Amino acid sequence: DVVMTQSPLSLPVTLGQPASISCRSSQSLVYSDGNTYLNWFQQRPGQSPRRLIYRVSNRDSGVPDRFSGSGSGTDFTLKISRVEAEDVGVYYCMQSTHWPGTFGQGTKLEIK
Amino acid sequence: QITLKESGPTLVKPTQTLTLTCTFSGFSLSTSGVGVGWIRQPPGKALEWLALIYWDDDKRYSPSLKSGLTITKDTSKNQVVLTMTNMDPVDTATYYCVRNYYDSGPLDYWGQGTLVTVSS
Repeated sequence: DVVMTQSPLSLPVTLGQPASISCRSSQSLVYSDGNTYLNWFQQRPGQSPRRLIYRVSNRDSGVPDRFSGSGSGTDFTLKISRVEAEDVGVYYCMQSTHWPGTFGQGTKLEIK
Repeated sequence: QITLKESGPTLVKPTQTLTLTCTFSGFSLSTSGVGVGWIRQPPGKALEWLALIYWDDDKRYSPSLKSGLTITKDTSKNQVVLTMTNMDPVDTATYYCVRNYYDSGPLDYWGQGTLVTVSS
C-alpha cells in the first residue's frame, strides 16, 4: 500500500494566523490519465470526515476559500490562510491513485 | 439531497460475522461512475479503506482484509451490504459508508458512521 506521511501531527494555531500541513506519499500519485488523485479531509470533533479538496487543489462546494491545496508528484500541502475557530479538528490527506486508497495519520489542529 | 446511513449491530462477539447495511438516497448505483464503499476508523486512529463496489458490479477489497470481506449491492433497494467474517477485538471501529463518483472524485459523501464493538 502507498504510505502517506503527514506533518506536523499536532498544530496549535492562533486565531487569524495561517496554518500549513504537509503530506508526502511513498510513491508518485500521478495516475495513467495524467491526473493526481490527492485529497484532503477535515474531521471535526464527533463528526464524520468531510472532503475539502480533491485532485490536489479543487475545493469542494461550500468550502471557504481560505483553504487551498497544492503540490505534485509525492509532496502536497494544505494551507489555511487565516484559521477560524470552526477549523478545529483533524485533517487527513488521502491518495486515491492506487488501490486501496490510503490516508495519512492525521494532523490535529487546535487553537492556541 | 444525497444521504447515506449505516445500520447493523453495535456489538459482536469475537469470531462472529459482522453484517453492515448502507442505505442511501439522492443518487443511483446504476449510474455510470458511481461506487459505494466502506471505510473504518478505530477509536482515536486513522481511516482505513475496506471495500468498494461500482455501478457495474466491479468490486475492490483491501488486500490486507480481503479474505474476510464481501461487498454486495441491491440497486433496487439503494443498499450496499458489507460482511466481515471472524471478527476480532482489533476490528472495533466506527464504520462509515461512503460514495465514490468518477465525476466528482472519491468520498464526496459520507454516512454518519456506526460504532461496532467486538467483545465477548
